[in-house]
Amino acid sequence: SQTIHQWPATLVQPVGSPLSLECTVEGTSNPNLYWYRQAAGRGLQLLFYSVGIGQISSEVPQNLSASRPQDRQFILSSKKLLLSDSGFYLCAWGIGVGANVLTFGAGSRLTVL
Amino acid sequence: KQEVTQIPAALSVPEGENLVLNCSFTDSAIYNLQWFRQDPGKGLTSLLLIQSSQREQTSGRLNASLDKSSGRSTLYIAASQPGDSATYLCAVIDAGGTSYGKLTFGQGTILTVHP
Repeated sequence: SQTIHQWPATLVQPVGSPLSLECTVEGTSNPNLYWYRQAAGRGLQLLFYSVGIGQISSEVPQNLSASRPQDRQFILSSKKLLLSDSGFYLCAWGIGVGANVLTFGAGSRLTVL
Repeated sequence: KQEVTQIPAALSVPEGENLVLNCSFTDSAIYNLQWFRQDPGKGLTSLLLIQSSQREQTSGRLNASLDKSSGRSTLYIAASQPGDSATYLCAVIDAGGTSYGKLTFGQGTILTVHP
């Protein structure tokens, strides 16, 4: 069966510090991978998606970047965090262009102080 | 640009009531629509997925309908229980070759079922 893992679950970082959130998927090959952010009082916003190794598409301009070094690994990074980067980050995976269920990880709570 | 709206923003009901959550979307060219449940501080759990060619899906006490032409979906919860308390999110995947399964979410409905 397929599973998705995210870590760390919770992170408190000072402004200006770097960030690395990791997401891995098991039990499937060549998934589409996604990073969403849920900020306080706002809905879920798609940040990045990837349809293959090394292929990253950004949906919104921001202080963050994403990388996909392996087929089932998706990393969200920042060189210098801003207060506005605080939020709940969710990784998800799916197969195909849109006919299937998207499965989400448990999320990573980032607080920037 | 696709926009998804959910009404009401919050709902509080006594246990045992049947209830309806509403979702509307502006662009009817979609692949599918999903309903998710989110418990506080947790990830999303997929409840139901309705393909664009379908009219409804059922799972236990949950029934979701889709009227694609009018851009609407409803989630019906029968005989609500306190364990149903959560935020319910509606999301669509736009049709088209560049959608790549990207979901556009509504803001959610916060449901509280009290004993």
